[in-house]
Formats: sequence, structure tokens, C-alpha cells
Amino acid sequence: NAGVTQTPKFRILKIGQSMTLQCTQDMNHNYMYWYRQDPGMGLKLIYYSVGAGITDKGEVPNGYNVSRSTTEDFPLRLELAAPSQTSVYFCASSSFGTGDEKLFFGSGTQLSVL
Amino acid sequence: RKEVEQDPGPFNVPEGATVAFNCTYSNSASQSFFWYRQDCRKEPKLLMSVYSSGNEDGRFTAQLNRASQYISLLIRDSKLSDSATYLCVVNGDSNYQLIWGAGTKLIIKP
Repeated sequence: NAGVTQTPKFRILKIGQSMTLQCTQDMNHNYMYWYRQDPGMGLKLIYYSVGAGITDKGEVPNGYNVSRSTTEDFPLRLELAAPSQTSVYFCASSSFGTGDEKLFFGSGTQLSVL
Repeated sequence: RKEVEQDPGPFNVPEGATVAFNCTYSNSASQSFFWYRQDCRKEPKLLMSVYSSGNEDGRFTAQLNRASQYISLLIRDSKLSDSATYLCVVNGDSNYQLIWGAGTKLIIKP
């Protein structure tokens, strides 16, 4: 079982560049999330989706965009990268509402904006 | 007041000791509570859910105190492999939106 696959693992961007973080899950989960984690901090929710075609903002959405065209994929787009977006990014999915509220995480993306 | 607050530690304890973490939360309407474990530079993994009646899984015991709005995690007979950061997680306004504490770092020494 692949679970949640997140790419790339590492990336260095220059200020003003754009990129897309890819996230795919093969567990047929409806709920998917993008978090960022700064050093010594907890996870902050960027965007989430409760199903294909439905997305909503989390706590820290500024500077990011998402789409959910299929159940499996939930890419995160960074437009005009800024140093404040240097962080570790985690994608996660869950089958919330089925009695199993466990979050399954991808292995993370270490992003540096210089 | 932070929505979910944890002692950042680190907690340095000898192997075999018992260690306890507390976590306070601000939303009295929260219904879902979890402890996640995060190893250095890795993704968080669910350690255990926290139920109203408390629950135990081997050496790990979780308790919920709704009146005082805190949850606790007790680790008995600690092992070197227990060294990690322990994250307290509580649901927000929606059940599927989770609020994460900053984590408590635990270091088990031989």
C-alpha cells in the first residue's frame, strides 16, 4: 500500500518563483489536507478538501492555492514564493466520518525560499 | 491563550522511568482528542486517540479531563525508542479540522 505519496522531498526556490507540491492517496479518502510546520511549532492548516471539487481555506492560506479534481490528487500551488514560505509541508488524508479519524501523512517536503 | 498548549520540553528522562505530558485546550466544545508521535524530520503518526473514559495501550495511557480542559499522556517503563516529539491534537470548530499543539520533545537516556 502506497498510502499518501508526496513529492518532491526537497526543493529550493528563489524569491518570486512558483511551484506545485504533488500529493496523491490511494485509500479512497474523501478528506485531504495540506499543513505546514515551522521549526519548533505545531502543524498549521493551509487548505483542506472534503471531496473532489470542494476545497476550503485553513488557518494560513495566503500565498497558496489548491485544487481537487479527483479523489486521489490534491496539489498545492505556491505562487510568487517568499522567504516566509520556508517550511516543511505535509499532505494528509483521512476517512473522517467512517469511525476512523486517523490522519495518514505523506513523508513531507522540505522547502527553502532564498 | 493558545488554542492547544503543551510544555515544549525537552523532557530528559532515564530509560525505565515514567513520564507524563499534559496538554490544555481552549475550545470547550472540542470532541476529538489525539496524541501523535513525530520523529525528527518525519511525518506525525497517530499514537492514540483519547476517549472520555481514558484509554490504555500497552505502556501508554491517555486521560481526558473535560472540566479542566486538558488531556494527558503517561508513558511507563520508557524505552530509548520512545524518544520523539509528542503532539497533542484537538478538533476545532469542525470535527474534521484539527488544531495541533507545538509538541513536547522527549529524550530517553540509557
